[in-house]
Amino acid sequence: DGGITQSPKYLFRKEGQNVTLSCEQNLNHDAMYWYRQDPGQGLRLIYYSQIVNDFQKGDIAEGYSVSREKKESFPLTVTSAQKNPTAFYLCASSIRRSRLAGEDTQYFGPGTRLTVL
Amino acid sequence: QKEVEQNSGPLSVPEGAIASLNCTYSDRGSQSFFWYRQYSGKSPELIMFIYSNGDKEDGRFTAQLNKASQYVSLLIRDSQPSDSATYLCAVKKNTGFQKLVFGTGTRLLVSP
Repeated sequence: DGGITQSPKYLFRKEGQNVTLSCEQNLNHDAMYWYRQDPGQGLRLIYYSQIVNDFQKGDIAEGYSVSREKKESFPLTVTSAQKNPTAFYLCASSIRRSRLAGEDTQYFGPGTRLTVL
Repeated sequence: QKEVEQNSGPLSVPEGAIASLNCTYSDRGSQSFFWYRQYSGKSPELIMFIYSNGDKEDGRFTAQLNKASQYVSLLIRDSQPSDSATYLCAVKKNTGFQKLVFGTGTRLLVSP
């Protein structure tokens, strides 16, 4: 089955600890994205990558880092510099270049819920 | 002014009724509009997208786009209790990158 997987489903972090969230897709999509969702707020873009070995900061990149060494994988590290990391983290992917309506649609993985202890 | 605005709700409708969800956006150059459904504790799933002015129907769902008035709506006909969820409106800005701006969502409650 084609899709996007994220792991773990739940993650607990201690103060001062770095943690890495996994995101893998087998949809052959070029672009991948990381969002954060907090209660009462819309999804906010953390980082995005349009192609392997390239990524850009989104709206709230401070305290986060990413890598894109493979087309299928886009892991997100939440560093100790992120002061309020408790949130629901969502990974998405899409075809990067599209001329047909709907091809640029972003599809989401199941999410990782991160809690700071 | 938020870039994408939705009434947070909850919007309560009886089973079998039509639910109407609205979304306004500020960037007049926006080109693509998406509706996602999100059940509590789950990730968003795409319902439908719309690019052109007018209506687009898919089963019980109809998306309506009015670029002149800068609003997009989602109608759900014959609402079912299983439609109870938060509905997110997302707008793709007219830039080279496919950045989506999300509204905060409208919570829909369909009572049996």
